[in-house]
Amino acid sequence: DGGITQSPKYLFRKEGQNVTLSCEQNLNHDAMYWYRQDPGQGLRLIYYSQIVNDFQKGDIAEGYSVSREKKESFPLTVTSAQKNPTAFYLCASSPRGTGPYEQYFGPGTRLTVT
Amino acid sequence: GEDVEQSLFLSVREGDSSVINCTYTDSSSTYLYWYKQEPGAGLQLLTYIFSNMDMKQDQRLTVLLNKKDKHLSLRIADTQTGDSAIYFCAESNQAGTALIFGKGTTLSVSS
Repeated sequence: DGGITQSPKYLFRKEGQNVTLSCEQNLNHDAMYWYRQDPGQGLRLIYYSQIVNDFQKGDIAEGYSVSREKKESFPLTVTSAQKNPTAFYLCASSPRGTGPYEQYFGPGTRLTVT
Repeated sequence: GEDVEQSLFLSVREGDSSVINCTYTDSSSTYLYWYKQEPGAGLQLLTYIFSNMDMKQDQRLTVLLNKKDKHLSLRIADTQTGDSAIYFCAESNQAGTALIFGKGTTLSVSS
């Protein structure tokens, strides 16, 4: 059963702590993405990776870090430097290529920092 | 820079048609997309249109593209309560490496 998994679905942390959100895909996709979704803001791109061992900053990378050591995994760390980390985080993947650029999304992780 | 604009809310009655509108800025986008998000879930691709097409129909969905005005619309015929969701319009960024999403239109369908 192919797809993208994100865990956990809900995550609670105290302010000042780093937290890592998991994203795994078994679709054999080269590209992976992290988005943040806030009410009324739509999706904003945090980081993306087109290939293993390479990644680029998106529009709102400050306070976040990522790694791409394996094709199937793209974990996101929300650091204590992120001023407003409470949000819904979505991971996505897509095949590389020139065709329709469909991104497949995971179910999301809702992070609450108090 | 690249930007995608959508109205935030649309309310329709069951059985009516819904039309969700979107404007975008990057005329070099090869494809334009509509995604759907149900409450508490990720996004799923509904349909896409190639930039040299004016219209694409897929069952109850019709996508219209006016490239001159950079305007994209999604029409849902015979709207059902199960169509209630947030609908996102998206275009590729100039480098073709990521998608740029609008803020989403919340469609509310009443019976």
